[in-house]
Amino acid sequence: GQNIDQPTEMTATEGAIVQINCTYQTSGFNGLFWYQQHAGEAPTFLSYNVLDGLEEKGRFSSFLSRSKGYSYLLLKELQMKDSASYLCAVMDSNYQLIWGAGTKLIIKP
Amino acid sequence: GAVVSQHPSWVICKSGTSVKIECRSLDFQATTMFWYRQFPKQSLMLMATSNEGSKATYEQGVEKDKFLINHASLTLSTLTVTSAHPEDSSFYICSATRDRDTEAFFGQGTRLTVV
Repeated sequence: GQNIDQPTEMTATEGAIVQINCTYQTSGFNGLFWYQQHAGEAPTFLSYNVLDGLEEKGRFSSFLSRSKGYSYLLLKELQMKDSASYLCAVMDSNYQLIWGAGTKLIIKP
Repeated sequence: GAVVSQHPSWVICKSGTSVKIECRSLDFQATTMFWYRQFPKQSLMLMATSNEGSKATYEQGVEKDKFLINHASLTLSTLTVTSAHPEDSSFYICSATRDRDTEAFFGQGTRLTVV
């Protein structure tokens, strides 16, 4: 079966750095996506990785290792507005998005 | 980035009535549109995938006669919840992709409450 695993909840301090991990087992791979979702809102796109390595976009970076079935989202200089759920999704060989359950990130002052 | 507009943002309807939700890609042609449902504190659940001009592909357990999907053009897909019941109350979200291997752009979501 297809499976995406990420921690249910994480807590971090304002101004700090946090890394949210995602491991996956899917039938084929056509890219990995990270989305941010604030409560009651639709997800917004953060990053897309299809090749191994690190993609940096401002305070957010995303890393992929296809051989390990592993990705992480790194958030730097945390702000209170970063409190949200972060969803990892993998596109399989049929170009279907397989979603993780999301990681709820709580930022404390 | 590309914009997907979903309407309405929220709707309250009486049990037994039908509700139509629209999803439009405003500045690109969407080859594929997806409809999701999300219950509180749960992850997104894919309901169906629709390609323009063809019948939608429904996920297992989703009643196609209850959740009617019409993808009449490359910029518009609609989801109609027929004979709505309180258990259909949920957050419905659409997304659209230009091509198969590009990121999905999401609509704002529709919060449906059936009373």
